[in-house]
Amino acid sequence: SQTIHQWPATLVQPVGSPLSLECTVEGTSNPNLYWYRQAAGRGLQLLFYSVGIGQISSEVPQNLSASRPQDRQFILSSKKLLLSDSGFYLCAWSGAGPNYNEQFFGPGTRLTVL
Amino acid sequence: GNSVTQMEGPVTLSEEAFLTINCTYTATGYPSLFWYVQYPGEGLQLLLKATKADDKGSNKGFEATYRKETTSFHLEKGSVQVSDSAVYFCALSARPGGFKTIFGAGTRLFVKA
Repeated sequence: SQTIHQWPATLVQPVGSPLSLECTVEGTSNPNLYWYRQAAGRGLQLLFYSVGIGQISSEVPQNLSASRPQDRQFILSSKKLLLSDSGFYLCAWSGAGPNYNEQFFGPGTRLTVL
Repeated sequence: GNSVTQMEGPVTLSEEAFLTINCTYTATGYPSLFWYVQYPGEGLQLLLKATKADDKGSNKGFEATYRKETTSFHLEKGSVQVSDSAVYFCALSARPGGFKTIFGAGTRLFVKA
């Protein structure tokens, strides 16, 4: 069966510090991968998606970036965090076949920027 | 462009009450429609889906019917439990861009014992 992992689960970082959040998927190959941010009490904002290794599409211009160095690894990064980067970050994947448009979410990373 | 609108929350109900969360959509083509649920501190998980008009998705006592004529996909449950307290997201996926899902803003449900 497929599983998706995110780490760390929680993170507290000072303003101006770098960020690296990691997401890995097991049990499937060539997934579509997604990074979302959820601000407190708000809906989901799609940040990046990737349909293959090295292929990244950005939905919202900001000081975050994403990379996909391996087929089932998706990394969200920042060189200098802002207060507004605080939120709950969710990674998700979707596959091929008849259920290609179903998304499966990881447990999330709660980021607090102080 | 494609969009999803769902009723604002929070919705507060007593246990065993009837639940309706309204969802309407705008989409070109023939979208697939979804309800996802997010329990406190967790990621989202798929609750149910429908892929064509008049389909009814159902799971865990929840159901929703794909109504193309009213562009709606309302979530219902006949008798809610405290454990149903969560945030519910209506979503759609439609070609082009079928690998992207458009989510509504979410509706928080509180169920009191």
